[in-house]
Amino acid sequence: QSVLTQPPSVSAAPGQRVTIFCSGSTSNVANNHVSWYQHLPGTAPKLLIWDNYKRGSDVPDRFSGSKTGTSATLAITGLQAADEGDYYCAIWDIGLSAFGTGTKVTVL
Amino acid sequence: EVPLVEYGGGLVQPGGSLRLSCVGSGFTFNYHMTWVRLTPGKGLEWLANIRDYGSEKFYADSVKGRFTISRDNAWNTLYLEMTSLRVDDTGIYYCARAENTAVVSDYYYYALDVWGRGTTVTVSS
Repeated sequence: QSVLTQPPSVSAAPGQRVTIFCSGSTSNVANNHVSWYQHLPGTAPKLLIWDNYKRGSDVPDRFSGSKTGTSATLAITGLQAADEGDYYCAIWDIGLSAFGTGTKVTVL
Repeated sequence: EVPLVEYGGGLVQPGGSLRLSCVGSGFTFNYHMTWVRLTPGKGLEWLANIRDYGSEKFYADSVKGRFTISRDNAWNTLYLEMTSLRVDDTGIYYCARAENTAVVSDYYYYALDVWGRGTTVTVSS
Protein backbone atom coordinates (compact mmCIF):
# COMPACT_ATOMS: atom_id res chain seq x y z
CA GLN A 1 0.00 0.00 0.00
CA SER A 2 1.42 3.33 -1.10
CA VAL A 3 2.32 5.98 1.44
CA LEU A 4 1.29 8.68 -1.05
CA THR A 5 -2.46 9.02 -1.42
CA GLN A 6 -4.22 10.38 -4.49
CA PRO A 7 -7.88 10.50 -5.45
CA PRO A 8 -8.77 7.49 -7.62
CA SER A 9 -10.28 9.62 -10.35
CA VAL A 10 -11.04 13.14 -11.50
CA SER A 11 -12.98 14.26 -14.54
CA ALA A 12 -13.88 17.42 -16.38
CA ALA A 13 -15.02 18.64 -19.76
CA PRO A 14 -12.56 19.71 -22.44
CA GLY A 15 -11.09 23.12 -21.70
CA GLN A 16 -11.75 22.87 -17.98
CA ARG A 17 -9.28 22.51 -15.12
CA VAL A 18 -8.56 19.53 -12.90
CA THR A 19 -6.38 19.30 -9.83
CA ILE A 20 -4.85 16.15 -8.42
CA PHE A 21 -3.69 16.07 -4.80
CA CYS A 22 -0.93 13.88 -3.47
CA SER A 23 -1.04 13.50 0.29
CA GLY A 24 1.99 12.25 2.18
CA SER A 25 3.74 12.91 5.44
CA THR A 26 6.76 14.58 6.99
CA SER A 27 8.82 11.49 6.21
CA ASN A 28 8.21 11.64 2.48
CA VAL A 29 6.54 14.57 0.71
CA ALA A 30 7.51 17.27 3.19
CA ASN A 31 11.21 16.44 3.08
CA ASN A 32 11.61 15.48 -0.54
CA HIS A 33 11.08 16.80 -4.04
CA VAL A 34 7.91 15.50 -5.64
CA SER A 35 7.70 14.49 -9.28
CA TRP A 36 4.63 13.74 -11.39
CA TYR A 37 4.28 11.14 -14.12
CA GLN A 38 1.74 10.75 -16.88
CA HIS A 39 0.94 7.20 -17.94
CA LEU A 40 -1.14 6.92 -21.07
CA PRO A 41 -2.43 3.50 -22.17
CA GLY A 42 0.18 1.41 -23.94
CA THR A 43 3.02 3.84 -23.41
CA ALA A 44 5.91 4.28 -21.02
CA PRO A 45 5.34 6.62 -18.08
CA LYS A 46 6.46 10.16 -18.83
CA LEU A 47 8.02 12.62 -16.42
CA LEU A 48 5.86 15.75 -16.33
CA ILE A 49 6.97 17.69 -13.26
CA TRP A 50 10.05 17.41 -11.05
CA ASP A 51 11.38 19.27 -8.03
CA ASN A 52 7.75 19.98 -7.11
CA TYR A 53 7.05 22.46 -9.89
CA LYS A 54 9.67 22.32 -12.69
CA ARG A 55 8.43 21.41 -16.12
CA GLY A 56 10.35 20.24 -19.19
CA SER A 57 10.32 22.04 -22.51
CA ASP A 58 8.26 19.25 -24.04
CA VAL A 59 5.54 19.54 -21.39
CA PRO A 60 2.79 22.07 -22.13
CA ASP A 61 2.42 24.89 -19.63
CA ARG A 62 -1.12 23.65 -19.05
CA PHE A 63 0.51 21.31 -16.54
CA SER A 64 1.74 22.80 -13.29
CA GLY A 65 2.91 21.48 -9.95
CA SER A 66 3.14 22.81 -6.44
CA LYS A 67 3.82 21.59 -2.94
CA THR A 68 2.84 22.77 0.52
CA GLY A 69 3.95 20.84 3.55
CA THR A 70 2.92 17.21 3.26
CA SER A 71 0.79 17.66 0.15
CA ALA A 72 1.61 18.18 -3.52
CA THR A 73 -0.70 19.19 -6.34
CA LEU A 74 -0.78 18.71 -10.09
CA ALA A 75 -3.06 21.02 -12.03
CA ILE A 76 -4.08 20.59 -15.63
CA THR A 77 -5.76 23.53 -17.28
CA GLY A 78 -7.35 23.65 -20.71
CA LEU A 79 -8.05 19.91 -20.47
CA GLN A 80 -7.72 18.02 -23.75
CA ALA A 81 -8.78 14.55 -24.85
CA ALA A 82 -5.11 13.62 -25.19
CA ASP A 83 -4.67 14.20 -21.43
CA GLU A 84 -6.86 11.24 -20.57
CA GLY A 85 -4.85 8.68 -18.64
CA ASP A 86 -3.30 7.95 -15.28
CA TYR A 87 -1.21 10.36 -13.25
CA TYR A 88 1.12 9.53 -10.39
CA CYS A 89 3.02 11.56 -7.89
CA ALA A 90 6.29 10.12 -6.64
CA ILE A 91 9.34 10.66 -4.54
CA TRP A 92 12.60 9.02 -5.48
CA ASP A 93 15.46 8.63 -3.08
CA ILE A 94 18.16 6.02 -3.47
CA GLY A 95 17.18 4.46 -0.16
CA LEU A 96 13.42 4.68 -0.42
CA SER A 97 11.07 5.53 -3.23
CA ALA A 98 7.33 5.57 -3.60
CA PHE A 99 4.61 6.27 -6.09
CA GLY A 100 1.22 7.66 -5.30
CA THR A 101 -1.87 5.51 -5.62
CA GLY A 102 -2.58 7.03 -9.02
CA THR A 103 -5.40 9.16 -10.41
CA LYS A 104 -7.35 8.43 -13.54
CA VAL A 105 -8.14 11.60 -15.49
CA THR A 106 -11.26 11.35 -17.62
CA VAL A 107 -12.19 13.96 -20.19
CA LEU A 108 -15.96 14.10 -20.39
CA GLU B 1 17.21 4.88 -30.79
CA VAL B 2 15.30 3.96 -27.66
CA PRO B 3 17.34 4.84 -24.56
CA LEU B 4 16.10 1.93 -22.42
CA VAL B 5 14.72 -1.41 -23.56
CA GLU B 6 13.54 -4.19 -21.26
CA TYR B 7 13.76 -7.89 -22.10
CA GLY B 8 12.94 -11.15 -20.45
CA GLY B 9 9.27 -11.03 -19.62
CA GLY B 10 7.03 -14.01 -20.17
CA LEU B 11 4.74 -16.57 -18.63
CA VAL B 12 5.97 -18.36 -15.51
CA GLN B 13 4.30 -20.62 -12.98
CA PRO B 14 3.84 -19.59 -9.36
CA GLY B 15 7.03 -20.29 -7.45
CA GLY B 16 9.11 -19.93 -10.57
CA SER B 17 11.90 -17.53 -11.51
CA LEU B 18 12.58 -15.02 -14.23
CA ARG B 19 15.41 -12.67 -15.07
CA LEU B 20 14.68 -9.31 -16.63
CA SER B 21 17.23 -7.19 -18.45
CA CYS B 22 17.22 -3.52 -19.31
CA VAL B 23 19.69 -2.31 -21.92
CA GLY B 24 20.62 1.34 -22.15
CA SER B 25 21.88 3.16 -25.19
CA GLY B 26 22.74 6.69 -26.21
CA PHE B 27 23.88 7.79 -22.77
CA THR B 28 26.57 6.97 -20.24
CA PHE B 29 24.98 4.23 -18.17
CA ASN B 30 26.40 5.15 -14.74
CA TYR B 31 23.18 6.63 -13.40
CA HIS B 32 21.26 5.38 -10.39
CA MET B 33 18.65 3.04 -11.84
CA THR B 34 15.31 1.67 -10.72
CA TRP B 35 12.73 -1.01 -11.47
CA VAL B 36 9.04 -0.17 -11.32
CA ARG B 37 6.02 -2.28 -12.18
CA LEU B 38 2.44 -1.66 -13.16
CA THR B 39 0.11 -4.26 -11.75
CA PRO B 40 -3.59 -4.66 -12.45
CA GLY B 41 -5.58 -2.56 -10.06
CA LYS B 42 -2.57 -1.28 -8.10
CA GLY B 43 -0.92 1.27 -10.34
CA LEU B 44 2.79 1.96 -10.46
CA GLU B 45 4.83 0.33 -7.72
CA TRP B 46 8.48 0.98 -6.94
CA LEU B 47 10.46 -2.25 -6.66
CA ALA B 48 14.19 -1.65 -6.35
CA ASN B 49 16.99 0.89 -6.72
CA ILE B 50 20.68 0.47 -7.41
CA ARG B 51 23.43 3.05 -7.16
CA ASP B 52 25.33 4.19 -10.23
CA TYR B 53 28.15 1.68 -9.75
CA GLY B 54 26.13 -0.91 -7.89
CA SER B 55 27.53 -0.31 -4.41
CA GLU B 56 24.12 -0.16 -2.76
CA LYS B 57 20.76 -1.74 -3.49
CA PHE B 58 17.37 -1.07 -1.94
CA TYR B 59 14.09 -2.93 -2.20
CA ALA B 60 10.42 -2.48 -1.56
CA ASP B 61 9.10 -4.70 1.22
CA SER B 62 6.88 -6.54 -1.26
CA VAL B 63 9.89 -7.98 -3.12
CA LYS B 64 12.64 -7.98 -0.51
CA GLY B 65 14.24 -11.40 -0.29
CA ARG B 66 12.70 -12.53 -3.57
CA PHE B 67 14.01 -10.05 -6.15
CA THR B 68 17.61 -8.98 -6.77
CA ILE B 69 18.66 -5.90 -8.70
CA SER B 70 22.09 -5.79 -10.31
CA ARG B 71 23.91 -4.10 -13.15
CA ASP B 72 26.81 -4.45 -15.54
CA ASN B 73 27.90 -1.01 -16.67
CA ALA B 74 30.36 -2.47 -19.16
CA TRP B 75 27.35 -3.85 -21.01
CA ASN B 76 25.01 -0.94 -20.20
CA THR B 77 22.64 -3.43 -18.66
CA LEU B 78 20.44 -3.48 -15.59
CA TYR B 79 18.98 -6.74 -14.27
CA LEU B 80 16.14 -7.88 -12.06
CA GLU B 81 16.35 -11.47 -10.87
CA MET B 82 12.92 -12.57 -9.67
CA THR B 83 12.37 -15.75 -7.66
CA SER B 84 9.46 -17.27 -5.74
CA LEU B 85 7.13 -15.51 -8.11
CA ARG B 86 3.50 -15.11 -7.09
CA VAL B 87 0.34 -14.48 -9.05
CA ASP B 88 0.26 -10.91 -7.76
CA ASP B 89 3.68 -10.24 -9.32
CA THR B 90 1.92 -10.23 -12.69
CA GLY B 91 2.34 -6.91 -14.45
CA ILE B 92 4.39 -4.75 -16.74
CA TYR B 93 7.94 -4.18 -15.53
CA TYR B 94 9.74 -0.97 -16.35
CA CYS B 95 13.29 0.16 -15.83
CA ALA B 96 14.01 3.86 -15.45
CA ARG B 97 16.92 6.20 -15.04
CA ALA B 98 17.19 8.50 -12.03
CA GLU B 99 18.38 11.94 -13.02
CA ASN B 100 19.81 14.24 -10.38
CA THR B 101 17.57 17.29 -10.61
CA ALA B 102 18.72 19.41 -7.68
CA VAL B 103 21.26 19.61 -4.89
CA VAL B 104 20.18 21.45 -1.74
CA SER B 105 22.42 21.58 1.33
CA ASP B 106 24.41 18.64 0.00
CA TYR B 107 21.23 16.56 -0.39
CA TYR B 108 20.62 15.18 -3.87
CA TYR B 109 17.13 15.04 -5.37
CA TYR B 110 16.13 12.89 -8.29
CA ALA B 111 13.39 12.19 -10.81
CA LEU B 112 12.89 9.34 -13.27
CA ASP B 113 13.49 11.06 -16.57
CA VAL B 114 13.96 8.13 -18.95
CA TRP B 115 11.81 5.00 -18.98
CA GLY B 116 11.76 1.82 -20.99
CA ARG B 117 8.60 0.64 -22.68
CA GLY B 118 8.23 -2.27 -20.30
CA THR B 119 8.17 -6.04 -20.45
CA THR B 120 5.17 -8.12 -19.40
CA VAL B 121 5.45 -10.75 -16.70
CA THR B 122 2.56 -13.16 -16.21
CA VAL B 123 2.58 -15.50 -13.24
CA SER B 124 -0.04 -18.17 -13.70
CA SER B 125 -0.47 -21.91 -13.53
